[in-house]
Amino acid sequence: GAVVSQHPSRVICKSGTSVKIECRSLDFQATTMFWYRQFPKQSLMLMATSNEGSKATYEQGVEKDKFLINHASLTLSTLTVTSAHPEDSSFYICSASPGPGGQPQHFGDGTRLSIL
Amino acid sequence: TQLLEQSPQFLSIQEGENLTVYCNSSSVFSSLQWYRQEPGEGPVLLVTVVTGGEVKKLKRLTFQFGDARKDSSLHITAAQPGDTGLYLCAGGRRSGNTPLVFGKGTRLSVIA
Repeated sequence: GAVVSQHPSRVICKSGTSVKIECRSLDFQATTMFWYRQFPKQSLMLMATSNEGSKATYEQGVEKDKFLINHASLTLSTLTVTSAHPEDSSFYICSASPGPGGQPQHFGDGTRLSIL
Repeated sequence: TQLLEQSPQFLSIQEGENLTVYCNSSSVFSSLQWYRQEPGEGPVLLVTVVTGGEVKKLKRLTFQFGDARKDSSLHITAAQPGDTGLYLCAGGRRSGNTPLVFGKGTRLSVIA
């Protein structure tokens, strides 16, 4: 149980393209999902908290107009990297929790984004 | 800001050796999770500890939550090459769906 699916697993695209990443909770409902970014050989950096039916909460330094988050249902959150540039290349991971207290979190397999 | 100090950051050992990874904080957490991550994949939950002083065992892995719920340790006995990966500790708060506080990770390499 508690499976989180993330798609696509890998994206390679040209600079200026917008890229959408999906995060789905397959066997539970999640009112809250989290989006992280991970640089090589580093830990996870929280980007934003995705709330179903309301606006996402972004961490300091994360541009909300650059990283658009939509949490349209209790099982799906999407992260759109708008007008992506090479510096946006990274490993993006989402997480969700089936528990009422939000713990523990279960992670998707991540999306490797490469902007040429 | 709640911080989790994780150490060591890097660890390279021979197969069969034992090791311990530490997570320490000045803040109290309601729970502490340990994850293991392999390259190109998302973190996989190993264990959750919620009670001060709690000890959980998962085969050769032993997890302990400090009495004051401010620190935790992961001990691996007789490490194997398959244990290689990035180990992450993460602290949680009980109130609502709040994000985890992550340590910086311990990159373990077990050499055959």
